[in-house]
Amino acid sequence: GQSLEQPSEVTAVEGAIVQINCTYQTSGFYGLSWYQQHDGGAPTFLSYNALDGLEETGRFSSFLSRSDSYGYLLLQELQMKDSASYFCAATSGSARQLTFGSGTQLTVLP
Amino acid sequence: DTGVSQDPRHKITKRGQNVTFRCDPISEHNRLYWYRQTLGQGPEFLTYFQNEAQLEKSRLLSDRFSAERPKGSFSTLEIQRTEQGDSAMYLCGGGGVGDTQYFGPGTRLTVL
Repeated sequence: GQSLEQPSEVTAVEGAIVQINCTYQTSGFYGLSWYQQHDGGAPTFLSYNALDGLEETGRFSSFLSRSDSYGYLLLQELQMKDSASYFCAATSGSARQLTFGSGTQLTVLP
Repeated sequence: DTGVSQDPRHKITKRGQNVTFRCDPISEHNRLYWYRQTLGQGPEFLTYFQNEAQLEKSRLLSDRFSAERPKGSFSTLEIQRTEQGDSAMYLCGGGGVGDTQYFGPGTRLTVL
């Protein structure tokens, strides 16, 4: 089967840096995505890593190590609006569908 | 805004009724996905279309669920004889070149 593990909760203060880890066990793996979801909203795409290494997009960076089946999302200069759930999702299968982790609830404190 | 729209945004129905949801991806999205998300969980894959062809269905998609994508544009997801366990957010995801998927705002279904 496919499974992804990520911490259920992370708390940090405004302006800080936080890292959300994700380990996966997925056959036919193509890449790892990260999504942000605010309460009541739909998941919003943040990043996608198909190759090993770090991808940077503004305050957010995402890393993938295929040999370790591990990735992380790095959020810098945290803002209150970053408080949300963050999901890692593995792309796999002939349909290239997403298998999601259970999500990490990030709380940013003033 | 991903350009993917879904209708309705909210649906409340009584157990046993049929419901139909619609998804309109952007024209570049030849790949279309349906997912279901229950409270506190990540979305779960339901089905996949490549243009008008339904190429993959999850075991979650029971016989009461049917999806179509006529002409490879918009898609519909119908649930027959709804059950309380069908209450969830139904998400439509569009994908073009590459593996990135962009979701619409979702349809929140409540079955009473």
